[in-house]
Amino acid sequence: NAGVTQTPKFRVLKTGQSMTLLCAQDMNHEYMYWYRQDPGMGLRLIHYSVGEGTTAKGEVPDGYNVSRLKKQNFLLGLESAAPSQTSVYFCATQEYGYTFGSGTRLTVV
Amino acid sequence: DQQVKQNSPSLSVQEGRISILNCDYTNSMFDYFLWYKKYPAEGPTFLISISSIKDKNEDGRFTVFLNKSAKHLSLHIVPSQPGDSAVYFCAASEGGNKLVFGAGTILRVKS
Repeated sequence: NAGVTQTPKFRVLKTGQSMTLLCAQDMNHEYMYWYRQDPGMGLRLIHYSVGEGTTAKGEVPDGYNVSRLKKQNFLLGLESAAPSQTSVYFCATQEYGYTFGSGTRLTVV
Repeated sequence: DQQVKQNSPSLSVQEGRISILNCDYTNSMFDYFLWYKKYPAEGPTFLISISSIKDKNEDGRFTVFLNKSAKHLSLHIVPSQPGDSAVYFCAASEGGNKLVFGAGTILRVKS
């Protein structure tokens, strides 16, 4: 999806390992979001940011941390991965509408 | 407790016919509703939206209906095309931020 880039696209982690997912946007949008998608659950909001230097918790924040040091980047961190964090993660930016990235598929074994 | 519910996990429709996807919500504070379409290995893309001050919004083959008293909205696709086969998510928000999504409905349009 134009304007929102997520890296990596795929990753397999062992339980207890840490990693950071990067979301980068080139649209100068203030609002950025991290969602996870699980079968039968739709997309659930993990954390969000309303501007550079701000972050806030969403519906399912436990086990995740985020940072928005630069306006164009929104990082999602897993300090100690658990199998329950196996999911597809989507980043989105918002101006008037939402623009989603193409997702990161994470498997925790 | 899911605030936005899509009770039909899947729907199969013949090409050329109407597809009707349904969505119910529980939060009466929601004032903006959207439908997103998602293909495999891609992010959701915006399809159509409706404000709570309206009861219908139309965009080409896509029409969204909102029944506030029943806390129900529906997406109509007429005529359905094979390229419409995807997962459709209903979403809602208060003031346009922090979308709350339903679980999605898989639409299959058969040719």
